[in-house]
Amino acid sequence: DQQVKQNSPSLSVQEGRISILNCDYTNSMFDYFLWYKKYPAEGPTFLISISSIKDKNEDGRFTVFLNKSAKHLSLHIVPSQPGDSAVYFCAASAAGGTSYGKLTFGQGTILTVHP
Amino acid sequence: ETGVTQSPTHLIKTRGQQVTLRCSSQSGHNTVSWYQQALGQGPQFIFQYYREEENGRGNFPPRFSGLQFPNYSSELNVNALELDDSALYLCASSLYGSGGPWHFFGPGTRLTVL
Repeated sequence: DQQVKQNSPSLSVQEGRISILNCDYTNSMFDYFLWYKKYPAEGPTFLISISSIKDKNEDGRFTVFLNKSAKHLSLHIVPSQPGDSAVYFCAASAAGGTSYGKLTFGQGTILTVHP
Repeated sequence: ETGVTQSPTHLIKTRGQQVTLRCSSQSGHNTVSWYQQALGQGPQFIFQYYREEENGRGNFPPRFSGLQFPNYSSELNVNALELDDSALYLCASSLYGSGGPWHFFGPGTRLTVL
């Protein structure tokens, strides 16, 4: 039961253009969403998050959009840079009491940014 | 601020053996979680520890067990290793009660079971 899905295994973009990575979820209890970036031989690095009470969160070149009715979120990277080439994971979490427990991850999308 | 560290970086074991992986949490964090990442997949939650007790478990058999120590470091133990246990094992630390699920990951331990 894949509760978080990233349907695009890979994405190729030209430097300077926009990269859009997509993620769908099925569990209505999820109320926090995160994006992680992973380089080979390293652990995932936290990029940006969004609470379900918001529909947009920006941090520099990275913006995450959340559409709760569609159970869909996306990560926009503008402008894309070759150093952004990595695997991007979408993750979701549900509040349990006063804190959050596990993250449920998607399968990842390999982003390649060409110079 | 010290990040999350894991040891060893690589490990090769044979089927049926036991393995212990270690993790040191980021300073200031009191919760540690372990994840298994198989090739081509996203990380899968194994379990989480808070105040030295298990605070949630994913769909993993009891031969996966863990410990959290008073200094918030942690161990993941896997008994009776199977070929399918070959994966990248990731440790993540977080702060219970911080208001969000922000996990910070270590570099992982690559386990190969032959």
